[in-house]
Amino acid sequence: QVQLVQSGAEVKKPGASVKVSCKASGYTFSSYYILWVRQTPGQGLEWMGVIKPSGGSTGYAQNFQGRVTMTRDTSTSTVYMELSSLTSEDTAMYYCARAWGDHAPFDFWGQGTLVTVSS
Amino acid sequence: DIVMTQSPDSLAVSLGERATINCKSSQSVLYNSNNKNYLAWYQQKPGQPPKLLIYWASTRESGVPDRFSGSGSGTDFTLTISSLQAEDVAVYYCQQYYSIPITFGQGTRLDIK
Repeated sequence: QVQLVQSGAEVKKPGASVKVSCKASGYTFSSYYILWVRQTPGQGLEWMGVIKPSGGSTGYAQNFQGRVTMTRDTSTSTVYMELSSLTSEDTAMYYCARAWGDHAPFDFWGQGTLVTVSS
Repeated sequence: DIVMTQSPDSLAVSLGERATINCKSSQSVLYNSNNKNYLAWYQQKPGQPPKLLIYWASTRESGVPDRFSGSGSGTDFTLTISSLQAEDVAVYYCQQYYSIPITFGQGTRLDIK
């Protein structure tokens, strides 16, 4: 069955970086895009960007340009999202999700990774 | 960016009654070349990620009960639950995937009256 398994919760200090992983299984990794969405009580659901596993091309939301990097490892069917220069406003639940295209609904989601930024 | 606005923010409906949630986009999400509305609905229960219910505004995802239906076109959309069940208590989100950045509504909390 389709699974997107994310790495565990993280606690980071302001100014640090965090790298969250999303391991895919149960389907052909290269056939689906992986998107990242974060959820905060104040901002709701916020699309961060997308990576195309075949080729590795990426697209990032303007709000995160320069701070977010998405990469993939095709040998392990894993996608990574790294967010730098963290502030308390980056405290959120981070989800990966898959879609059949970059203009397609998100048909399966990871379980989420809680990132807490605190001094 | 396309702004998605849901109404109401919350509602309470009796078991077995109809629940209706509205979603309005700041610009049309209808792609004329294929006549498809790039609009999806998700359900999120506490402690869980969102779950896809409806896409192309009215296509039910596999396994979703047929009491859930979506309608609308252009800028105005509706999610209807025809007969509310206890397990439908959740927050519901609309999403446009017509243009980047993909954006979501603020969510509608649905409870039992």
